[in-house]
Amino acid sequence: AQTVTQSQPEMSVQEAETVTLSCTYDTSENNYYLFWYKQPPSRQMILVIRQEAYKQQNATENRFSVNFQKAAKSFSLKISDSQLGDTAMYFCAFSDNNAGNMLTFGGGTRLMVKP
Amino acid sequence: DVKVTQSSRYLVKRTGEKVFLECVQDMDHENMFWYRQDPGLGLRLIYFSYDVKMKEKGDIPEGYSVSREKKERFSLILESASTNQTSMYLCASSLRQGRYLAKNIQYFGAGTRLSVL
Repeated sequence: AQTVTQSQPEMSVQEAETVTLSCTYDTSENNYYLFWYKQPPSRQMILVIRQEAYKQQNATENRFSVNFQKAAKSFSLKISDSQLGDTAMYFCAFSDNNAGNMLTFGGGTRLMVKP
Repeated sequence: DVKVTQSSRYLVKRTGEKVFLECVQDMDHENMFWYRQDPGLGLRLIYFSYDVKMKEKGDIPEGYSVSREKKERFSLILESASTNQTSMYLCASSLRQGRYLAKNIQYFGAGTRLSVL
C-alpha cells in the first residue's frame, strides 16, 4: 500500500518570503501522480499543483513550484512571495493508475503566513 | 467551474441516530468519494463509487454505508452514529480514469462537520 508522509505538522512564514513544505511517499509503482491540495480556513479543498511521475520537469503554477525527486520519493512544495491568502492546510496526495483514481493523502501541514 | 455541494456545513446528532450526509456534483463526473478528515491523519477514504449503484470500500468503511442512485448524488449513511464518528466529512468527485486532460484531479465539497453527542 502507498503511504504519504508530511513531517511538518505546522509551519509559519513571513509575508513575501519563501517557504518549502515537505512530502515523502512510498510506492512500488513506476507511473503515478502527485498533488498538493490547499484547504483554506473556509474548508473547501482546492488543487494547487500536480506532477506526473514520468515527467522530468518540475511543475510550476505561478508562485507555487515543486521539487520532485523520484529516486528519493520526495515531492516538496515551494511557495514564493508568500501572501496572507496562502494561510491554509496543505495536503500532499498520491494516485497511481488504479481504476478509481483514488488518492492517498498525507497528514497535512498547517501553514500560517504572518504579516 | 466544477461544483460539489454538500447539503450541510454543520450537523449535531445523538448517539444511535441514523445520519445521512448528502453530496451533489454538477459536472457529470463518474467517480465520487467520501473522506473523513481528522487532525494529523489527513483524509482517509471511506467509500467511493465509480458509477451509479456501484461502490467500493475505502480504508475505513466500518460503521458507514453509501448510496448512489443517481450519477450526480452520493450519500454517506451512518447507520447508528457513535461518538467516534465525530469528524469532518468531505465529498469529492472526478472524471473516470482515461480522460487524459483531467486525469486524477478530484474536486471537493466544502465539508460537513459532524458532532455526535
